[in-house]
Amino acid sequence: GQQVMQIPQYQHVQEGEDFTTYCNSSTTLSNIQWYKQRPGGHPVFLIQLVKSGEVKKQKRLTFQFGEAKKNSSLHITATQTTDVGTYFCADFNSGGYQKVTFGTGTKLQVIP
Amino acid sequence: EPEVTQTPSHQVTQMGQEVILRCVPISNHLYFYWYRQILGQKVEFLVSFYNNEISEKSEIFDDQFSVERPDGSNFTLKIRSTKLEDSAMYFCASSERGFRGYTFGSGTRLTVV
Repeated sequence: GQQVMQIPQYQHVQEGEDFTTYCNSSTTLSNIQWYKQRPGGHPVFLIQLVKSGEVKKQKRLTFQFGEAKKNSSLHITATQTTDVGTYFCADFNSGGYQKVTFGTGTKLQVIP
Repeated sequence: EPEVTQTPSHQVTQMGQEVILRCVPISNHLYFYWYRQILGQKVEFLVSFYNNEISEKSEIFDDQFSVERPDGSNFTLKIRSTKLEDSAMYFCASSERGFRGYTFGSGTRLTVV
């Protein structure tokens, strides 16, 4: 079955440093979504990318969708303590009943 | 901001007992889901529900599990005979037509002892 893997699994950064998480799929992704889960919280939708090579920005967050639609990345510039949490990429299968398959997640810890 | 509401927030049950987890999705949403997350692991799909029937289910969602939308607002997940390995956080989610991302509830932490 489809596997959506993320690296790294864990990342500790000093506040102010940049952070990147990479998402790789064994099969072509339909659409890629990104979610953030704070410690003890629930996943919160951040963004959806649809087109091959698409790049979107949300303030300090930059999301990219690979040209072959088999990978994606999330880059955070100048991390803050509020960025702490687990970031999940997810494949959104618009051909099914809007099913989302989550990646393995990257847990980010920001050291003040 | 509309919310997905889940109750209870924490449920402790004995192995073999039945549990019902409850969810109130956002009122104009049409698609409903249950996911679970074992502590520290990824979010796993259980089942999707649309137009009053199951549209897709995972291998995890075996005969012990069932879902219902008994009225216009509630969406429930029933586990008939709980096992220790059912201990997890269970998240309900809903989405609207013309997908804008799921809205997740705060979850029910199920502990089977």
